[in-house]
Amino acid sequence: NAGVTQTPKFQVLKTGQSMTLQCAQDMNHEYMSWYRQDPGMGLRLIHYSVGAGITDQGEVPNGYNVSRSTTEDFPLRLLSAAPSQTSVYFCASSPDGTVGYTFGSGTRLTVV
Amino acid sequence: SQQGEEDPQALSIQEGENATMNCSYKTSINNLQWYRQNSGRGLVHLILIRSNEREKHSGRLRVTLDTSKKSSSLLITASRAADTASYFCATDESGNQFYFGTGTSLTVIP
Repeated sequence: NAGVTQTPKFQVLKTGQSMTLQCAQDMNHEYMSWYRQDPGMGLRLIHYSVGAGITDQGEVPNGYNVSRSTTEDFPLRLLSAAPSQTSVYFCASSPDGTVGYTFGSGTRLTVV
Repeated sequence: SQQGEEDPQALSIQEGENATMNCSYKTSINNLQWYRQNSGRGLVHLILIRSNEREKHSGRLRVTLDTSKKSSSLLITASRAADTASYFCATDESGNQFYFGTGTSLTVIP
């Protein structure tokens, strides 16, 4: 099993550009989440989903959109990239949120 | 908002010693989890403890939970160089979504 797959692994954007970070899982997990990790800040929850068609905001949702049209995929869209969005982004999934999350290997995003 | 706060921020020990790190949180929880992150990698789930449990073991890991003090501890016994990593606690605030602390950076010196 591939687990949680994130693409791309690295990305450089110019301020104002938009892009989509991809996340796919093959474990039939209902719960999926996006986190960003910044030095000294730990991981902060951006958006999450408890099933296909259902999404909600986390701690730091501004500047990001998500959708969940299938159980497998949970893309994260940056609408207009800003330098403050330079970070490492992690996608994670769980069967139902009451057991541990499986994390992807991350996307390192730099906005210049 | 971030629930968990790990303590200490950094810990350096000799191989073979035990490592203890603590997590404090703010509101009532259903579950608390501990994760490990090796440098440049994603997080790996270590152990989950439910609010009605006081202690849980997994190999060399021992986790305790004190809901009256809103705190948890992770003990790694007989540490190895390979245990060098950052360790995070994560607590559920609502809807089974987990919020992470800022982590403890553990260095095990061979």
